[in-house]
Amino acid sequence: GQQLNQSPQSMFIQEGEDVSMNCTSSSIFNTWLWYKQEPGEGPVLLIALYKAGELTSNGRLTAQFGITRKDSFLNISASIPSDVGIYFCAGQLVGSQGNLIFGKGTKLSVKP
Amino acid sequence: EAGVAQSPRYKIIEKRQSVAFWCNPISGHATLYWYQQILGQGPKLLIQFQNNGVVDDSQLPKDRFSAERLKGVDSTLKIQPAKLEDSAVYLCASSYGTDTQYFGPGTRLTVL
Repeated sequence: GQQLNQSPQSMFIQEGEDVSMNCTSSSIFNTWLWYKQEPGEGPVLLIALYKAGELTSNGRLTAQFGITRKDSFLNISASIPSDVGIYFCAGQLVGSQGNLIFGKGTKLSVKP
Repeated sequence: EAGVAQSPRYKIIEKRQSVAFWCNPISGHATLYWYQQILGQGPKLLIQFQNNGVVDDSQLPKDRFSAERLKGVDSTLKIQPAKLEDSAVYLCASSYGTDTQYFGPGTRLTVL
């Protein structure tokens, strides 16, 4: 099946540092989404991107939909301890009926 | 607004036993999804319903998994008989159409 390559797999950072993670694919997507999942909970939507080149912010989070429509990145500025969790990218393929394909996640650890 | 509800939250069974999970989507959401999330992976779509009809069940192992959404609201996912490799978190999500998906907390299944 289709796969999203998400990197890095894990990150250990100091509080206050900026974070960057990305997803790439060999397929074209018409929607890119970024979710955060905490232990024992379902994924929670952070940012949704619908157009190539779109740059969207949500507080300290910024995400972009790649021009080629095959990639996306998420940046977190000035990280805080509550940013800890697993971040997933997800995409909807062109022509799909809502089916989301997820990356394997980036596990973020923040040291106070 | 109430979120997606799932029960039970945890279930431990022995292999070859049967198990069922329940999901109540957000009120008014016509589309309902069941995902399987194996430890260390992103969620993988098992089945998608639009009202009470199946839109996509291409990744559902139909020899042992079944799902229904009889009245277009609640849904149940059943595994019969369970195998060790079915140990995972089963996530239910809903959306108004095919746009933003909202996830429930999931059911963690352990097969011994």
